[in-house]
Amino acid sequence: DAKTTQPPSMDCAEGRAANLPCNHSTISGNEYVYWYRQIHSQGPQYIIHGLKNNETNEMASLIITEDRKSSTLILPHATLRDTAVYYCIVWEKTSYDKVIFGPGTSLSVIP
Amino acid sequence: DAGITQSPRHKVTETGTPVTLRCHQTENHRYMYWYRQDPGHGLRLIHYSYGVKDTDKGEVSDGYSVSRSKTEDFLLTLESATSSQTSVYFCATGGGPLTGEQYFGPGTRLTVT
Repeated sequence: DAKTTQPPSMDCAEGRAANLPCNHSTISGNEYVYWYRQIHSQGPQYIIHGLKNNETNEMASLIITEDRKSSTLILPHATLRDTAVYYCIVWEKTSYDKVIFGPGTSLSVIP
Repeated sequence: DAGITQSPRHKVTETGTPVTLRCHQTENHRYMYWYRQDPGHGLRLIHYSYGVKDTDKGEVSDGYSVSRSKTEDFLLTLESATSSQTSVYFCATGGGPLTGEQYFGPGTRLTVT
């Protein structure tokens, strides 16, 4: 079973920030938080990952709470092309096979 | 990702026939993975490889076998296809556990009638 829980769906207005929450209350100290997204019919795409500090790249920002039990992926200015299913995954880097994708959050960006 | 291709992209086959799906990468990544994706189940790992001739099972490996004779190719074989194996199959590559990111191919839609 996935170690994360996410809302099944969310809407966001085009141009506004999309904030996607993820709960991972059982995360252990050596597990990272990864985010992927999957645009309809395509393979998943890596977005960002972090351990305990906030992270930012050209696609998104990742905010991890101090107790690491939850995180938020932020798409600062959502566009229609950001409509996708977003997966939050926790993963221990020494595990070869423990990347488990849950059902994710279906984000719809609305014009 | 342009560096990962899958073939065929679509296939329809009959129950009981053998099927082989191919994943080819040009990224020289050590690790390769096969997933299946079904409605209500998300992505599930079938098998993975951590080097040439080094493979291991994932969470849904029954009915599937894999082979990796070259770094760039990872084959998934259904020895005797069943209707429950109708799915979309994704191949992924990556540098392995220490790097984290995986890069996915475009997928193969397999229908077993």
